[in-house]
Amino acid sequence: DVKVTQSSRYLVKRTGEKVFLECVQDMDHENMFWYRQDPGLGLRLIYFSYDVKMKEKGDIPEGYSVSREKKERFSLILESASTNQTSMYLCASSLTGTGRYEQYFGPGTRLTVT
Amino acid sequence: GENVEQHPSTLSVQEGDSAVIKCTYSDSASNYFPWYKQELGKGPQLIIDIRSNVGEKKDQRIAVTLNKTAKHFSLHITETQPEDSAVYFCAARLMEYGNKLVFGAGTILRVKS
Repeated sequence: DVKVTQSSRYLVKRTGEKVFLECVQDMDHENMFWYRQDPGLGLRLIYFSYDVKMKEKGDIPEGYSVSREKKERFSLILESASTNQTSMYLCASSLTGTGRYEQYFGPGTRLTVT
Repeated sequence: GENVEQHPSTLSVQEGDSAVIKCTYSDSASNYFPWYKQELGKGPQLIIDIRSNVGEKKDQRIAVTLNKTAKHFSLHITETQPEDSAVYFCAARLMEYGNKLVFGAGTILRVKS
């Protein structure tokens, strides 16, 4: 079974703090994604990566950055956390290849910024 | 860019009844349409998907139908059970962006026993 793990289930941070969210997948997937989930808005893509050290902006990249130094690990960084970044953050991974589109999700990190 | 609209936002059904959730998409080139189920405290899990060369797909009590002309697809759950209660998301794959998916806003399904 594909396993995607996220470093924390719950996180509370203060405004202005630098926050790191870590995601690790164990199935040698090329693609990794970070989403945020808010009620009534579904899942919105923040950043994705299709290879080590490669990254692309998603729909809502402002206030976030990412790092992918190893194939299995994809980090989301909030340089200076703000209250409007309080949300559920979901990491996902997928293979590359024709017909291989399924994304596998981690359990999520619920971040509260006070 | 691609836009996916999902309806209804909440759905309550009696145990044993059927549930239908509908999604429409805007990019006629989209070719992959998954459905995810998210239970409380968990990440979304793929339950069924359909590709653009197929009109219908079934897996036990769940089925998905696709109408490419009208650009909409639907999830059908028959003989609903309390464990079907969850949030369901539809999504569509953007052709020009590799494996990017655009998600609908989600449907909260409650099955009353």
